[in-house]
Amino acid sequence: ETGVTQTPRHLVMGMTNKKSLKCEQHLGHNAMYWYKQSAKKPLELMFVYNFKEQTENNSVPSRFSPECPNSSHLFLHLHTLQPEDSALYLCASSLSGGAGEAFFGQGTRLTVV
Amino acid sequence: QKEVEQDPGPLSVPEGAIVSLNCTYSNSAFQYFMWYRQYSRKGPELLMYTYSSGNKEDGRFTAQVDKSSKYISLFIRDSQPSDSATYLCAMSAEGTALIFGKGTTLSVSS
Repeated sequence: ETGVTQTPRHLVMGMTNKKSLKCEQHLGHNAMYWYKQSAKKPLELMFVYNFKEQTENNSVPSRFSPECPNSSHLFLHLHTLQPEDSALYLCASSLSGGAGEAFFGQGTRLTVV
Repeated sequence: QKEVEQDPGPLSVPEGAIVSLNCTYSNSAFQYFMWYRQYSRKGPELLMYTYSSGNKEDGRFTAQVDKSSKYISLFIRDSQPSDSATYLCAMSAEGTALIFGKGTTLSVSS
């Protein structure tokens, strides 16, 4: 385990559902990230939080809504998703934003039906 | 031109072979270079981290960064079946988040 825990590991949701992904890091880091991993595409950065403040939103549709209540926890709230949003959603943390090594959780495999 | 280019493979080698994985990039501001290994259905695991140019060795793994050519490499010596995975290069400039390559799928046969 890397010290970054994501729940749930798998999620199937309908297009009208609302669900949330959770990420917790036990590394004492100050920056947390959401990435999306789809087949045959590079990891896509979605959001960056540095010291609980959102510092980057990579043109992500509003049906994805992040929340960072403290430096150890990060959520991704999902509503009215589309089938093309099905992917592996990965959370990562680093000591501070953009300062080298980032450590990843195991991801949430999301399927939108 | 994409910021980070990585040949997706797949790459198949026999056990014991030397494997060379490579990425090229276009942003001369990149200073932090990483290689991640990702097994199927798992999150990426940090394998090697290099700051700026130079070589770094860790066991059977060697990472090289050539900033003048905007080219990074990962060498795996004496490859093992357990090395079969997808290898992702990643890099960033100061104060920016990591940008990833597409990943190269490696298969090592016994």
